[in-house]
Amino acid sequence: DTEVTQTPKHLVMGMTNKKSLKCEQHMGHRAMYWYKQKAKKPPELMFVYSYEKLSINESVPSRFSPECPNSSLLNLHLHALQPEDSALYLCASSQDIDRVNQPQHFGDGTRLSIL
Amino acid sequence: DQQVKQNSPSLSVQEGRISILNCDYTNSMFDYFLWYKKYPAEGPTFLISISSIKDKNEDGRFTVFLNKSAKHLSLHIVPSQPGDSAVYFCAAKGLAGSARQLTFGSGTQLTVLP
Repeated sequence: DTEVTQTPKHLVMGMTNKKSLKCEQHMGHRAMYWYKQKAKKPPELMFVYSYEKLSINESVPSRFSPECPNSSLLNLHLHALQPEDSALYLCASSQDIDRVNQPQHFGDGTRLSIL
Repeated sequence: DQQVKQNSPSLSVQEGRISILNCDYTNSMFDYFLWYKKYPAEGPTFLISISSIKDKNEDGRFTVFLNKSAKHLSLHIVPSQPGDSAVYFCAAKGLAGSARQLTFGSGTQLTVLP
């Protein structure tokens, strides 16, 4: 059982829609991450939050907007996406971004399809 | 520029035999290495890790070996079971600069044949 919970599991949206992906963890982790994964490729980092503040944005287009309302929750707001944004979106958490010897724990992802 | 490489996209092994998955890295700033397992429609699951101060870490059927001088690590699964069939990702990170974020290899699809 994953300790990082993502909702929804699947999402189909049109290019003009606005939707949000949600992620929750109750492990007391202070670092949370969004990744994008295309088929047969490794996860690609999008955003990193540390202690509820945005720490890293890997040059992600502004149609993706992250939000960290509190230490347990991470959202990804989507607006005006393109068909090439269809992918598996993974959330992960770890104790602290500055602790090297700590793994990241991943949720099962949201499978996003843009029509 | 791929800093973590898994050169075998796929591997098939008979049940009960040893599975050996390989990974090479180029960034000498990496000092923590991890293996993740991924089933279809699920997120990556953390399997085992090793710090650069060690050359071996064992957890049940899984052992990770690290050769720092060769910048190479491997995952051994003994004995292999059909439930081990999944994509295995090698990943690495360090404390500073470009190594600070987790960098993944491209993955190896392991198939364990009954």
